[in-house]
Order: sequence, then C-alpha cells, then structure tokens
Amino acid sequence: ETGVTQSPTHLIKTRGQQVTLRCSSQSGHNTVSWYQQALGQGPQFIFQYYREEENGRGNFPPRFSGLQFPNYSSELNVNALELDDSALYLCASSSSGRTDTQYFGPGTRLTVL
Amino acid sequence: GENVEQHPSTLSVQEGDSAVIKCTYSDSASNYFPWYKQELGKRPQLIIDIRSNVGEKKDQRIAVTLNKTAKHFSLHITETQPEDSAVYFCAASGGSQGNLIFGKGTKLSVKP
Repeated sequence: ETGVTQSPTHLIKTRGQQVTLRCSSQSGHNTVSWYQQALGQGPQFIFQYYREEENGRGNFPPRFSGLQFPNYSSELNVNALELDDSALYLCASSSSGRTDTQYFGPGTRLTVL
Repeated sequence: GENVEQHPSTLSVQEGDSAVIKCTYSDSASNYFPWYKQELGKRPQLIIDIRSNVGEKKDQRIAVTLNKTAKHFSLHITETQPEDSAVYFCAASGGSQGNLIFGKGTKLSVKP
C-alpha cells in the first residue's frame, strides 16, 4: 500500500451543494494530482499542485478548485454540485513535477442526489 | 492534446495462459508510460512503467514493450493466475500537458 491517504471515504450530497475532499501525500512527495473516475472509466485528470502552485489543469470547469498546503497535503473543492459529479475522486502523489511516478490514494466516493 | 486508446476492453484467459493488452497514444512528446491494476473498490496500483529511452522492461511475470515510432505500448502477463483478475489501465504523460492520460481500461478475467 502507498502512504497516500484520502478523506472522507464516502460522501453523499445533493445538487447545488459544495464539497471538500482531502488528500495527504506520501512522505517526501511535493506534488499532488487529482483525478475523477466515473464508473467503468479510466481516471480523468482534474489538476495538479506542485509546491503549493497549480501546475496544470484538465478539462474541468472553474467550480472545481484546489489548494495545496505547506505540508503538501491538498484539498479539492467542488461548488454547485451536479448529478454528473458523482464519481470516485482519486488523488495521487509524486516526488516532483509532472512525469514522476504517481501513487494513488484509496479515493473518495462522491454521490450527488 | 494527448489521447490514449486501449484494447481490448475485456479479456478472458485460462489460468497459466498469457495475456496481452495494447495501447496507442497520439502525442509524440509523451515519454512516460505506466500501467495500473485496479481491483474492485480499490485504488489503482502501479504494476510497471517504462520511459521512452528503453524499449522493454520486465518484472517477473509482467513485461511492457514500447514502440515509439508506432506510438504504441503493450502489457504482457505470463503464467496468469486468478489473482491477476482486475481492470488494467495504461497511461501516458510527458507531452505538452505533462499529466497522466489514461486509457479506458481492460477487464481481465483469469479462469481457474
């Protein structure tokens, strides 16, 4: 198992609400990437944080936002939740930049009703 | 941007047989190609990766080959076991965006 942890494990929200998901990176890693995995699909890149700065963003609207803290843990915030936001949200940590090996956390299962 | 296609979407083999999963990518600047195994309800687990400066890499029963000219890479599992049953994802990165772009996955079933 990797040292990447995520909380909460499961979450149920209603349309229009806001949600915050958390990720603690593996010791020694300074980069966190967030992915959305819909049922039966591969993970889709949301954004990446490297040393507290956004370091790339996928094709997701601005209501998906993030943050990285000085200890390199990270948050994913989603505003104005929509039914299609229901998915497994995965974070992955790596030691530097964009192309280093990424290790995934267990994910947060978000259900939007 | 980068696009990764993965085939087949499902693969069923007998225990002890070999399994091969193939992926193609579109961005010639991509230089890192990992493979992940995801069991039901669990996190994607890195099983092997390859960088563009090598053509093949092996780790026990698992091997990955890369053809940069054709822009495709493959996962080979030999002597398959029931515990190899899972969804396997290929990915590519290092191109213009640098993040991991995943294929849609292959559900591998190994029958005892």
